[in-house]
Amino acid sequence: EVKLQQSGDELVRPGASVKMSCKASGYTFTDYAMHWVKQSPGQGLEWIGTIIPLIDTTSYNQKFKGKATLTADKSSNTAYMELSRLTSEDSAVYYCAMGQPNWFAYWGQGTLVTVSS
Amino acid sequence: DIVLTQSPALAVSLGQRATISCRASESVRSSMHWYQQKSGQQPKLLIYGASNLASGVPARFSGSGSGTDFTFTIDPVEADDIATYYCQQSRNDPLTFGSGTKLEIK
Repeated sequence: EVKLQQSGDELVRPGASVKMSCKASGYTFTDYAMHWVKQSPGQGLEWIGTIIPLIDTTSYNQKFKGKATLTADKSSNTAYMELSRLTSEDSAVYYCAMGQPNWFAYWGQGTLVTVSS
Repeated sequence: DIVLTQSPALAVSLGQRATISCRASESVRSSMHWYQQKSGQQPKLLIYGASNLASGVPARFSGSGSGTDFTFTIDPVEADDIATYYCQQSRNDPLTFGSGTKLEIK
C-alpha cells in the first residue's frame, strides 16, 4: 500500500523558515517524482514544484522560486520542502503527492503551516 | 500559464447525474485529470488522462474530452459524493488546477 506520511503542523513566526517532510512507503521511492501542492485556507490548489529523487532534479512553479526548496533523501525515502521568509500569505496546507508522472496518484495527509507572531 | 475554468457549484438530486465541466485556456490534448476533495481531507485521484479511471474508483465516475473542453460525470450521484472536484492539466508547466466545483445535494 502506497503511503505518504507528512510531518506535523507548524506554527512559525513571520520571517522565519520551516522545513516539512514527506516519508514514502509501499513503492520504490526513486521510481516516481514527488510533487508539492499548496492549498490556502478555503482556496484551491497550487502546484509548487517537483523533485525526481533518482537524479535529484527539481522543477519549480515560477511563483514559488526563491520561496520553496525541494530536496529528497533516498536513504530514508523522504522528501522535504523548506519554505523561507514566511509571511501570512504562506499560511496554508501543504501536500506532497506522488507523481505518475505529472498527475498526482497518491497524496499525503497535508501539513498545516500557520504564520503568526 | 494554462488557466482551467470550472463552474463554482452544482446541486444534484441523489440518484441523478452530475456533470462538471473544465475548460482550458489552450489545448492540453488529453492531459487532464480529476480529483475529489472531501472536507478536511487530501485530494484523491479519480480520473487521469481525461478518461481513465484510477485504481479502485467506482465506475459511476467517468471523464471525457480532449483539447480545451472536458467533462467529468458522476452517474448516479450518491450521498458520499459530496465534495469539491478539481481538474488539473499536465500538458505544460506550471501544472495548474481549476478552481474547483463544489457538489451539493438538492
